[in-house]
Amino acid sequence: DAGVTQSPTHLIKTRGQQVTLRCSPKSGHDTVSWYQQALGQGPQFIFQYYEEEERQRGNFPDRFSGHQFPNYSSELNVNALLLGDSALYLCASSFQIAGLSSYEQYFGPGTRLTVT
Amino acid sequence: AQTVTQSQPEMSVQEAETVTLSCTYDTSESDYYLFWYKQPPSRQMILVIRQEAYKQQNATENRFSVNFQKAAKSFSLKISDSQLGDAAMYFCAYRTRGVSGTYKYIFGTGTRLKVLA
Repeated sequence: DAGVTQSPTHLIKTRGQQVTLRCSPKSGHDTVSWYQQALGQGPQFIFQYYEEEERQRGNFPDRFSGHQFPNYSSELNVNALLLGDSALYLCASSFQIAGLSSYEQYFGPGTRLTVT
Repeated sequence: AQTVTQSQPEMSVQEAETVTLSCTYDTSESDYYLFWYKQPPSRQMILVIRQEAYKQQNATENRFSVNFQKAAKSFSLKISDSQLGDAAMYFCAYRTRGVSGTYKYIFGTGTRLKVLA
């Protein structure tokens, strides 16, 4: 049973460029959350997708957007990259049953984004 | 808004000894979950233990146990018989209910645990 997978592993971009990160949830999971983890910090919640809709959003600008596909996989897009966007981006998946969320999130290995 | 505070940036423990990592949180909710996650150098975030706020009994998972003090809003992690493989960043996390019945997690800043041979 594959866990949460993310691609790519590492990415280097230039200021002003756009980037797309991808996440496939754990088998049986239908909810995907994205986190930004700056060096030496804890993960910060970006947003969460369920039923192909953004359900919750953290304190991130509109430059951060996402999408969820019918197979539950998800993308995180960041436009107009800034140096401060350099971080580890983590994807986590969970599932919903009868309107209730599972209490566990399973994390992927992350994508290390470097903006130069 | 909920907050999670880890006041120990770094801790060290001798192999086979016991260490306690501290975490405090602030919330006005009465029903919530608390977690400890481990993040080794490989970056994979791994769930160590969870605690439901409505349960008075402290959670235990093998060598890992918590001391949950709801009134004090304290949630510490005790690692017994420390092993070299326990060396990692440890994050305390709070699960808060958001809109649409979904949840989001608020993480502390982490404690780096070093295990000395």
